[in-house]
Amino acid sequence: EPEVTQTPSHQVTQMGQEVILRCVPISNHLYFYWYRQILGQKVEFLVSFYNNEISEKSEIFDDQFSVERPDGSNFTLKIRSTKLEDSAMYFCASTVRAGEKLFFGSGTQLSVL
Amino acid sequence: QKEVEQDPGPLSVPEGAIVSLNCTYSNSAFQYFMWYRQYSRKGPELLMYTYSSGNKEDGRFTAQVDKSSKYISLFIRDSQPSDSATYLCAMSGGSNYQLIWGAGTKLIIKP
Repeated sequence: EPEVTQTPSHQVTQMGQEVILRCVPISNHLYFYWYRQILGQKVEFLVSFYNNEISEKSEIFDDQFSVERPDGSNFTLKIRSTKLEDSAMYFCASTVRAGEKLFFGSGTQLSVL
Repeated sequence: QKEVEQDPGPLSVPEGAIVSLNCTYSNSAFQYFMWYRQYSRKGPELLMYTYSSGNKEDGRFTAQVDKSSKYISLFIRDSQPSDSATYLCAMSGGSNYQLIWGAGTKLIIKP
């Protein structure tokens, strides 16, 4: 069964460093998302991406964050200068059409020290 | 008032019991309703997807949507210890297809 894959599963970084989280969405999906979940808290929307551009972003998704679809399969989230409060599980998700079934990857646990 | 309200629990029930999980919402434009299951440190897994009002059944799981009351439910029959997880409701609709999430209910099935 097709699935969303994310790498790495764990990422440890020093405060101020740049990180890139990678995702391979399901191949025929057109809408891509990043969410995050701080331990014990709610899933939070970060950004949605369609047709090679950001379609929506939350207040969390400030200038330190960027997304890219560098080729036909990968979808990346970059955090330019990580802060302690960026420590969270980051989930990539994709869907065929906006508003329909959203499929999630297993997440990348980001720890900022 | 939050757009989606969900009791965080934990809800603890004995194995074999029928479990009822619920969410209420305020936005009458919501049309798509989903239930996700999330195991600890894993991504949410789509369990049920419903469009508009009505019931949907899949094995031991039944999803109900009552748009007039702005209330959705997930029932789990013959609950198993492996059902122990956090269950999240999510919904969207109207001019914004962005998913709006409940806080998640932690469910514990005791053997």
